[in-house]
Amino acid sequence: QVQLVQSGAEVKRPGASVKVSCKASGYTFTSYGISWVRQAPGQGLEWMGWVSGYNGNAKYAQKAQGRVTMTTDSSTNTAYMELRSLRSDDTAVFYCARRYTAYAQADYWGQGTLVTVSS
Amino acid sequence: QSVLTQPPSVSGAPGQRVAISCTGSSSNIGAGYDVHWYQQLPGTAPKLLIYANSNRPSGVPDRFSGSKSGASASLAITGLQAEDEADYYCQSYDNRLSDSLFGGGTKLTVL
Repeated sequence: QVQLVQSGAEVKRPGASVKVSCKASGYTFTSYGISWVRQAPGQGLEWMGWVSGYNGNAKYAQKAQGRVTMTTDSSTNTAYMELRSLRSDDTAVFYCARRYTAYAQADYWGQGTLVTVSS
Repeated sequence: QSVLTQPPSVSGAPGQRVAISCTGSSSNIGAGYDVHWYQQLPGTAPKLLIYANSNRPSGVPDRFSGSKSGASASLAITGLQAEDEADYYCQSYDNRLSDSLFGGGTKLTVL
């Protein structure tokens, strides 16, 4: 069965970086991409971007451009999302989700990773 | 303000039918792009409920159905159950923004 397992919760200082991982299993990793979605406390869902499992090409949401990098490692079937220059309003749960293309539905989701940014 | 507009909340009694709307424009739903729906139970990750306007993934009860007309889409839930209490989000693509979008989300309360 398809599973996406994310790394654990993180606490970071403002200005630091965080790298969240998403390990995929149960399907051919290179046949799908991975999207990252942010959910601030009590707020809705927000796409951050999509990275191809086939060639690592990434497409970022306008709001995330410049501070986020999404990568994949097909040798370990793992996707990564790095967010830099963290601010307190970056505190959120970050989800990874499998998507065939950058615009398709997200059919499987990771359990979420809470990133807390606090001084 | 989301480009895809959903009512902030809806409610219904057990056994009743509720519908959640998702209103877009000519650059997204009205341009013919598919609408997908997600259910997020409290404290959990979202789950795909409806894809490509009206299709249910395996395991989703047929109490859930989706439809699309013009620049709007709708999620209907019949035979409401207590476990349907959750947040529901629509998703589509916008060609002016060149990106996927979520609606703002709708909280369903089962009375």
